Amino acid sequence: EPEVTQTPSHQVTQMGQEVILRCVPISNHLYFYWYRQILGQKVEFLVSFYNNEISEKSEIFDDQFSVERPDGSNFTLKIRSTKLEDSAMYFCASRPGSYGYTFGSGTRLTVV
Amino acid sequence: KNEVEQSPQNLTAQEGEFITINCSYSVGISALHWLQQHPGGGIVSLFMLSSGKKKHGRLIATINIQEKHSSLHITASHPRDSAVYICATMNYGGSQGNLIFGKGTKLSVKP
Repeated sequence: EPEVTQTPSHQVTQMGQEVILRCVPISNHLYFYWYRQILGQKVEFLVSFYNNEISEKSEIFDDQFSVERPDGSNFTLKIRSTKLEDSAMYFCASRPGSYGYTFGSGTRLTVV
Repeated sequence: KNEVEQSPQNLTAQEGEFITINCSYSVGISALHWLQQHPGGGIVSLFMLSSGKKKHGRLIATINIQEKHSSLHITASHPRDSAVYICATMNYGGSQGNLIFGKGTKLSVKP
């Protein structure tokens, strides 16, 4: 069964550094998403991406964050100047259209 | 904005018991998802529902659109069912099918 692949599975970074979280969505899917889950809290929407552009973003997704689909397969989330409160599990997800979601296994980001 | 509430927050059951997890939401939706999150953190989609009932193995999900309520049932529960079960609502119009998540129900099934 096709999978959404996320790398790395765990990233530790110094506060103030930039990180790039990578995702390979399912190839024939049309909609791509990033969500995050701070430890002990519910999953929150960050951004959706369709037709090679951001289609919607939450209040969390400020200028510190950016997304790209540089080569038609990879889908990246960049976090500039990381803060302690950016520590969370970040999930990539994709869906084909009117059907359901497929989630990646997540990247656990720890900012120290 | 949709508010998604789940109950109970925590549930402990004996192996073999029938389990029900409830989800209610505040505004109309296009679909509702039931998801499973294991201790390692990964999320697996169990069901996507827009009406009626779906069954997969020992799992049954129902939704009542008029009452804005959904339930997830597990028959003949097993320790391997221990996980966090999350409901999430979805709207196609306006948003790009983004999900709004409940806080989850942590299920522990004892042998």
